[in-house]
Amino acid sequence: QVLLQESGPGLVKPSETLSLTCSVSGGSISNYYWSWIRQPPGKGLEWIGYVYYNGNTKYSPSLKSRVTISVDTSKTQFSLKLSSVTAADTAVYYCARAGQDGPDFEFWGQGTLVSVSS
Amino acid sequence: QSVLNQPPSASGTPGQRVTISCSGSRSNVGSNYVYWYLQRPGTAPKVYMYRNSQRPSGVPDRFSGSKSGTSASLAISGLRSEDEAEYYCAAWDDSLNGVVFGGGTRLTVL
Repeated sequence: QVLLQESGPGLVKPSETLSLTCSVSGGSISNYYWSWIRQPPGKGLEWIGYVYYNGNTKYSPSLKSRVTISVDTSKTQFSLKLSSVTAADTAVYYCARAGQDGPDFEFWGQGTLVSVSS
Repeated sequence: QSVLNQPPSASGTPGQRVTISCSGSRSNVGSNYVYWYLQRPGTAPKVYMYRNSQRPSGVPDRFSGSKSGTSASLAISGLRSEDEAEYYCAAWDDSLNGVVFGGGTRLTVL
């Protein structure tokens, strides 16, 4: 069974950079798309982007200018950095594994709430 | 405003059949697979239908999916109280070059 676990600060100040890491266990990091998805409180799901195991990335056009997703295959981890955050970035952030179809998120982390506040 | 359009709510009584729709465009639903996710409060979403109409193991056969043109739907027959949850559709969008979700449909079992 593949397990994903998000980690990182639960509180970030406005204008700073949100940084999260997702640790993967129970399976290979190769040949999959490792994604970040967020959900503001009481709202729907928003895809942030993904990193392929070889380092290739795709980002949501609405967040592209502020997002960096990277992978460390030696540690079986991948990371999210979101810069210049505002209160609108307050959300539960999920990491997930996807296959070739794109939205085929078979495995998810439990999610971590990140609040943006001074 | 979500790229894929879902009704915000749906409801039914136990035993009834309920259908949740997901409307998109040629660049997403019209040309790519649709996935459906079920999310219960405080938990991560779980895939309930993949590639339009394929049911993952463990999902009851009361659930079925279909797609026609730029619309997809998730049908639940023999509605049960445990089906009460939020349902999301998702697809790849060729124009946006990314994954798009519907806004979610809250299903209530009366």
